[in-house]
Amino acid sequence: QQPVQSPQAVILREGEDAVINCSSSKALYSVHWYRQKHGEAPVFLMILLKGGEQKGHEKISASFNEKKQQSSLYLTASQLSYSGTYFCGTEFGGGNKLTFGTGTQLKVEL
Amino acid sequence: DTGVSQDPRHKITKRGQNVTFRCDPISEHNRLYWYRQTLGQGPEFLTYFQNEAQLEKSRLLSDRFSAERPKGSFSTLEIQRTEQGDSAMYLCASSHVLGETGELFFGEGSRLTVL
Repeated sequence: QQPVQSPQAVILREGEDAVINCSSSKALYSVHWYRQKHGEAPVFLMILLKGGEQKGHEKISASFNEKKQQSSLYLTASQLSYSGTYFCGTEFGGGNKLTFGTGTQLKVEL
Repeated sequence: DTGVSQDPRHKITKRGQNVTFRCDPISEHNRLYWYRQTLGQGPEFLTYFQNEAQLEKSRLLSDRFSAERPKGSFSTLEIQRTEQGDSAMYLCASSHVLGETGELFFGEGSRLTVL
């Protein structure tokens, strides 16, 4: 039931774009995205709900394909501060109980 | 709003000992979650509360693990007879959910090392 994320790791130069994907084998109620920097707590980025509603920060965009049970996180014009590990968290039946993927390590270099 | 706080931040114990972690959620958050995270992995769900009621506990969770949230405020997670496989970061998160889903606010975690 753990969602699969791709790629596992990516290195960008500052200003480049990246897409991180999250796939589930089960029907999803919602998809959450979090970023975790080394030694720190995960920080909320975005929630995508069935039906198209989204909640999140202004500079982050994402999509949710309900038919394919897939979500993608779009990082544009990357900055050094974007570095960290990105996790998608999938929710199947409400309750805000998340099953997290294995993560995508993103490193942004000058 | 001081954020989610966890105590202790680090705990080293010998195999077979009991340990207890405490989590103080953001005040007035009605939901509280415990997750476990090992190196290179995403957080793994353990259990969650709505107010003082424990609504779900992971089927993967051993009976050695117990959690409480008396009076719907702080929560404790106790691990009895610790094993080396229990070594991990234990994360607490809280949320104020009016509907069904919302942002989780994580604490910085309690790192457990079992020798």
